Amino acid sequence: AQSVSQHNHHVILSEAASLELGCNYSYGGTVNLFWYVQYPGQHLQLLLKYFSGDPLVKGIKGFEAEFIKSKFSFNLRKPSVQWSDTAEYFCAVNSNQGGKLIFGQGTELSVKP
Amino acid sequence: NAGVTQTPKFQVLKTGQSMTLQCAQDMNHEYMSWYRQDPGMGLRLIHYSVGAGITDQGEVPNGYNVSRSTTEDFPLRLLSAAPSQTSVYFCASRLPGTGDYGYTFGSGTRLTVV
Repeated sequence: AQSVSQHNHHVILSEAASLELGCNYSYGGTVNLFWYVQYPGQHLQLLLKYFSGDPLVKGIKGFEAEFIKSKFSFNLRKPSVQWSDTAEYFCAVNSNQGGKLIFGQGTELSVKP
Repeated sequence: NAGVTQTPKFQVLKTGQSMTLQCAQDMNHEYMSWYRQDPGMGLRLIHYSVGAGITDQGEVPNGYNVSRSTTEDFPLRLLSAAPSQTSVYFCASRLPGTGDYGYTFGSGTRLTVV
């Protein structure tokens, strides 16, 4: 069965610090990978996605993620966070052609001004 | 396009009551899913459907029923509500196949069971 693991439950950073959130998945076949963000009181928004091609994916708001197939990982990065990045971040995996999108437990990011 | 529309936005139920959460999309998306979101547990898949007449269980299906009679609608039924079903429920949809298709999420239904 597919599963997604996010290692950090709560991350606290100061503005301008660099961010890396870990995400690992378990599925042996071809996968599509996503990072979503949920700002307080709002619903999910897509940050970026990987389907094929260049394993380094750039998304909105300066976020990027790297797909490392050998490590079953899809870590999210941002060189310099802002207070407005305070939110909860979810990694998700969808097996190719499948209808199931499975989420990790989420990482709450708090950025101190 | 309205996208994915969920109704109601808020609901309070008494233990044992039944209700249906509605989800409709106007994008001709074959794939639709229901999730519940609880603090510290992320979004967990309840049921999903890959087309009209086809549904399957997700990670936490107990206590919930679904049906998919049309492409547009995917209602979620709580047969006998329990306090453990207090949660925020999200519906999502996408096009089928292997293309670069992302999921579209509804704005959620906040359900409280007392």
